[in-house]
Amino acid sequence: GAGVSQSPSNKVTEKGKDVELRCDPISGHTALYWYRQSLGQGLEFLIYFQGNSAPDKSGLPSDRFSAERTGGSVSTLTIQRTQQEDSAVYLCASSRGRGATYNSPLHFGNGTRLTVT
Amino acid sequence: AQKVTQAQTEISVVEKEDVTLDCVYETRDTTYYLFWYKQPPSGELVFLIRRNSFDEQNEISGRYSWNFQKSTSSFNFTITASQVVDSAVYFCASLSGNQGGKLIFGQGTELSVKP
Repeated sequence: GAGVSQSPSNKVTEKGKDVELRCDPISGHTALYWYRQSLGQGLEFLIYFQGNSAPDKSGLPSDRFSAERTGGSVSTLTIQRTQQEDSAVYLCASSRGRGATYNSPLHFGNGTRLTVT
Repeated sequence: AQKVTQAQTEISVVEKEDVTLDCVYETRDTTYYLFWYKQPPSGELVFLIRRNSFDEQNEISGRYSWNFQKSTSSFNFTITASQVVDSAVYFCASLSGNQGGKLIFGQGTELSVKP
């Protein structure tokens, strides 16, 4: 596609429910990232995929968070038993090369705004 | 470990003023990359510029200019003759050549340009 696509754009869920957030990267981009942006905060790295494998999961805040990528394309971020502190905008980005190198900057989607009530 | 500091949380200027957004980075790697992104009110992050650690040449693009100084570990961003459309949150980020592609972002600077 023309850009990184994320769905849904907004999600309101009750505390304790599971949610799935979807990211469709730019076609041909092998690297995919998930970031979280809380109100008034910077971008917090969650996880990075190269192809279908995740060489860096260091940013996942707890074992309630997981992500997968299939076919080297679409990725799903799953949050189980959501808590109010999970409320944030979840941003997905993709890039062409081995991560966001000099010749392959990150291209971001519009994000999914998650609200946990 | 990598770290990016944007000490200015919010800046407010009047249209046509020049404004500089500060960025200080920390890294132990000799190969690294620095970036600036703009996040307008619409929310989508827009890539502005990238520099690598071997190229300290400053860059100008229209009203935008970037000053990369390794001696002070800074990569500052100046907007000349600011316009209302420049109002956004600006993020500085770094990537270590050895870190497998993880961009580390600063906290962002919210720029408000008033008419």
